[in-house]
Amino acid sequence: DQQVKQNSPSLSVQEGRISILNCDYTNSMFDYFLWYKKYPAEGPTFLISISSIKDKNEDGRFTVFLNKSAKHLSLHIVPSQPGDSAVYFCAASAGGSYIPTFGRGTSLIVHP
Amino acid sequence: ETGVTQTPRHLVMGMTNKKSLKCEQHLGHNAMYWYKQSAKKPLELMFVYNFKEQTENNSVPSRFSPECPNSSHLFLHLHTLQPEDSALYLCASSQDRDRGNGYTFGSGTRLTVV
Repeated sequence: DQQVKQNSPSLSVQEGRISILNCDYTNSMFDYFLWYKKYPAEGPTFLISISSIKDKNEDGRFTVFLNKSAKHLSLHIVPSQPGDSAVYFCAASAGGSYIPTFGRGTSLIVHP
Repeated sequence: ETGVTQTPRHLVMGMTNKKSLKCEQHLGHNAMYWYKQSAKKPLELMFVYNFKEQTENNSVPSRFSPECPNSSHLFLHLHTLQPEDSALYLCASSQDRDRGNGYTFGSGTRLTVV
């Protein structure tokens, strides 16, 4: 059973608009959440993270929101750029294990 | 070379073959990981090594055999694989076991089992 779910396999957005990528989790022990970005033929790279003591973390154009009661997090990219086109993986970890559990990824395409 | 380097980039092997995947990092990291990415599935953790000692084996079949001779090198030995083992195999490293924000991934080996 998947503990980290990214239910949208793909998302298409116009350049300059907002991209919203969603992620749901089932394990209530998760207390640290991450987003990774992956370009074709490259490994994933860490993008942004959030601890469960916060509900928002911002880094430039990227903001992650956490709704613990709904077990939901989202990544907002504003404004979206064609270079943001990539697969985005959501991941979560629990304090005891530390090792993140990943979702399936969402492929974002930003059109010029 | 910097970062995490994986070789080969692509590998096609028969079900009776024996092959090895190699991962190398010169970042001074102490923890190394093997992940498997199958089509339409989450990234799955396979093995974790910390200071050359295996600390996690995520119920991986014995046809996959990891080896970590030193903290810079990690191998995945493959034998009698099945077609469903075809996937992208990713290696990662981190300074120590961390929450994931310190991981550096390699570009992966695309494995096809025929």
